[in-house]
Amino acid sequence: DQQVKQNSPSLSVQEGRISILNCDYTNSMFDYFLWYKKYPAEGPTFLISISSIKDKNEDGRFTVFLNKSAKHLSLHIVPSQPGDSAVYFCAALSRVVQGAQKLVFGQGTRLTINP
Amino acid sequence: DAGVIQSPRHEVTEMGQEVTLRCKPISGHDYLFWYRQTMMRGLELLIYFNNNVPIDDSGMPEDRFSAKMPNASFSTLKIQPSEPRDSAVYFCASSFRGPGNTIYFGEGSWLTVV
Repeated sequence: DQQVKQNSPSLSVQEGRISILNCDYTNSMFDYFLWYKKYPAEGPTFLISISSIKDKNEDGRFTVFLNKSAKHLSLHIVPSQPGDSAVYFCAALSRVVQGAQKLVFGQGTRLTINP
Repeated sequence: DAGVIQSPRHEVTEMGQEVTLRCKPISGHDYLFWYRQTMMRGLELLIYFNNNVPIDDSGMPEDRFSAKMPNASFSTLKIQPSEPRDSAVYFCASSFRGPGNTIYFGEGSWLTVV
């Protein structure tokens, strides 16, 4: 049972344009969402997060949007740069349910930025 | 400051052999996680520890998998006997005061079982 889903295994975007990565979740108890970025032969690294009390969080070129009613979040990268080429993982957890503080990841989306 | 350190980085072993993956978390972190990455399922949580105590091992696929954390600076993930379907990248990660805070990953152990 995949509680966090990234339905696009890959995405290709032109340099300078906007990259939009999507993520859906099924567990309504999730209240904290994160994006991790992974380069080949390295471990994932934290990129940006959002709490369920917000619908948007921005950090430089990266913005995460949360639509709780649709159980959907997205990561926008503007403008996209070649160094953004990586695998992006969406993750979620519930911080309020005792004993359930597990960070659940999606399958990942491979983003390729073309020069 | 050193990050999460995993060993070995690469392991090729024959089916039926025992595999032991090792992890040293970031000093001062009280949570340690073992994840497995596959193409189909992405990053799956296998088990996590808090203050060296296993809290949730519901992600451990079978009895062939076991994990220990004898002290705050060392953990092992053991597979015995190994099977080809265990081939994956295994990540160890640690955090301070829970997964609600930033989790730091090691570089992973690439396991191939032939």
